[in-house]
Parts: sequence; structure tokens; C-alpha cells
Amino acid sequence: QVQLQQSGPGLVKPSQTLSLTCAISGDSVSSNSATWNWIRQSPSRGLEWLGRTYYRSKWSNTSAISVKSRMTINADTSKNHFSLQLNAVTPEDTAVYFCARGKPGGDAFDIWGQGTVVTVSS
Amino acid sequence: DIVMTQSPDSLAVSLGERATINCKSSQSVFRSSVSKNSLAWYQQKPGQPPKLLIYWASTRESGVPDRFSGSGSGTDFTLTISSLQAEDVAFYYCQQYYSAPWTFGQGTRVEDK
Repeated sequence: QVQLQQSGPGLVKPSQTLSLTCAISGDSVSSNSATWNWIRQSPSRGLEWLGRTYYRSKWSNTSAISVKSRMTINADTSKNHFSLQLNAVTPEDTAVYFCARGKPGGDAFDIWGQGTVVTVSS
Repeated sequence: DIVMTQSPDSLAVSLGERATINCKSSQSVFRSSVSKNSLAWYQQKPGQPPKLLIYWASTRESGVPDRFSGSGSGTDFTLTISSLQAEDVAFYYCQQYYSAPWTFGQGTRVEDK
């Protein structure tokens, strides 16, 4: 079955870069029907979709405007994973970060990573 | 952005009784190209990621018990738990995937009365 395994540090200093990776098993990051998403959850902002990457004959990304200028989502086909980089973090970026698969044929999120608690603090 | 508003924020239901959660979107999420509503429901328990229950407003995800059902169209949607079980105590969220950015409701806490 499809599984997503997240990795990355749980503590990031203000102004630095948050980097997380989501390893895919049981599916391919190059799938022509799924999308690969990053979502975060905090008490103040609730569940917030950040962005996605997907392959439909070519690679495309979609991002939430709130983080677009600071965020990069990349896919690595050799490792079958995708990653999130969020630059210039502030304490407001403190949250639980999830990766999730957008269900083939639609964008409901059917498979989720386990979540990574990321704290932005000096 | 499409704003998703759930009601109520919290709900206490006796085991075996019906629980009903409402979700309203600020604009229609009906996708005419597939004649379906781009609306999903999730269940989240503490320390876990959300779990997909319902997509296309009324299609139950594989493995989800049939006591969970979704209904509605356009801007108004409902998640019904026909007979609350102890394991259903959780937070529930609706989410639209009609127009990016995909957005979630604020959540409804379902408790055992």
C-alpha cells in the first residue's frame, strides 16, 4: 500500500530555512494522476495547504500565495521523494507539517505522512 | 480564496445516536466538468494526521464504515455519523478542492455525551 515517510529537523532558528522530505513507497512521485502536497497545522491557522508538485508530461507546482515567495517544493525521481523548503522562517511558521498525496482523479488527500512538529525558535 | 465554515464547533452525542456536522463554502464547489462537488471530509484524532472519510461530497473512501455518509451540493454540505461509536470521538474537517488554494474548515469536535 502507499505510504509517506517524513524526515527533517524539528527545530529551526528564525530567519533560517525549514527543510523537510517526504519519501514515497507504493507509488511514484512521477505519477500522471496523483499530486504531492505539503500541509501544515497550527492552533492559530488550523489546517493550511501550502502547495503541491505533480507530473503531467512535465513538472508543475502550485503554491498558496501566503508562502509562495518563500517556498520551494521539489520532486526527486531518483529517490522517489519530494521536499519542502521554506525560507526566512518566523515563529509564525511553527506548526505540524504534513505531506500528503492528492488522490488520483481528484485532489482529496488520501495518504498522509506522519507529521513533523517544527518549532521556530532561537 | 474559498472560505469553508463548519458548524457547530463542538458537538456532544450519546453513543449510538446520530451526529451531524455542517460545512458551508463561500462559493459553489460544483465541478461541472465531472458533475461532482469537490468536497472532502476528514477525521483527525490527537497525534495523528487527518484521515480521508468522504470525497466528491458523498463517496466513502475504501475501508470507511458505512455509518459515515456525506451529502449536499453547491455550497452546503453535511457529514452524518448515523450511530456514534466510541472510536468516532475526534475532530472532523471539511475541505474544498475546487479552486486553489485548497482550504479547510476550522474543524468540529465530536465528543461522547
